Amino acid sequence: QVQLQESGPGLVKPSQTLSLTCTVSGGSISSGGYYWSWIRQHPGKGLEWIGYIYYSGSTYYNPSLKSRVTISVDTSKNQFSLKLSSVTAADTAVYYCARFYCSSTSCYGGWFDPWGQGTLVTVSS
Amino acid sequence: EIVMTQSPATLSVSPGERATLSCRASQSVSSNLAWYQQKPGQAPRLLIYGASTRATGIPARFSGSGSGTEFTLTISSLQSEDFAVYYCQQYNNWPPAYTFGQGTKLEIK
Repeated sequence: QVQLQESGPGLVKPSQTLSLTCTVSGGSISSGGYYWSWIRQHPGKGLEWIGYIYYSGSTYYNPSLKSRVTISVDTSKNQFSLKLSSVTAADTAVYYCARFYCSSTSCYGGWFDPWGQGTLVTVSS
Repeated sequence: EIVMTQSPATLSVSPGERATLSCRASQSVSSNLAWYQQKPGQAPRLLIYGASTRATGIPARFSGSGSGTEFTLTISSLQSEDFAVYYCQQYNNWPPAYTFGQGTKLEIK
């Protein structure tokens, strides 16, 4: 079964760029039919979709974060990555990667399953 | 943005009893709704998609219903492992702008 694991620094300074990688095991990121997603959860709060990428490199981002987010994919390593620029304390959160399961062949919608265990990123000087 | 509102924020129920959780969308999302369970220190787990289809391995005591703007997650007979936070998520817009509810905490009464 597919498993995902986030990795990256747990502490980032304000104004810098947050960088995380998600490694996928138990399946190929290039298999198609799925997007590969980033979602975050502020401490004690709800969930916020950040964006996702197809293995071909096609990306979609949350409009509220679009100006600061870049998601990329490395199919040779079975990994995808998140970069969030110009971070502030408001970006402190647990960051999850997840597989997005398309509800139709056109992929106009779907759900997240499975998820990685999450990694806490704190923005502080 | 489609705003998802869950109620109540906290629900206290005794083991063995039924729990009913609600999720309301600010505009119709048809049946494009999923439910997740999150336990402390863990990632969310998919329970329901398409408003009423249980995900693989999810016990039959979990059921989802609704369409349009009103949705319900029902847990028919609460087990100890069911006490957790539950989130709904809509996936009805394109380009994508998926949104989650703020969660309902299901606690032991």
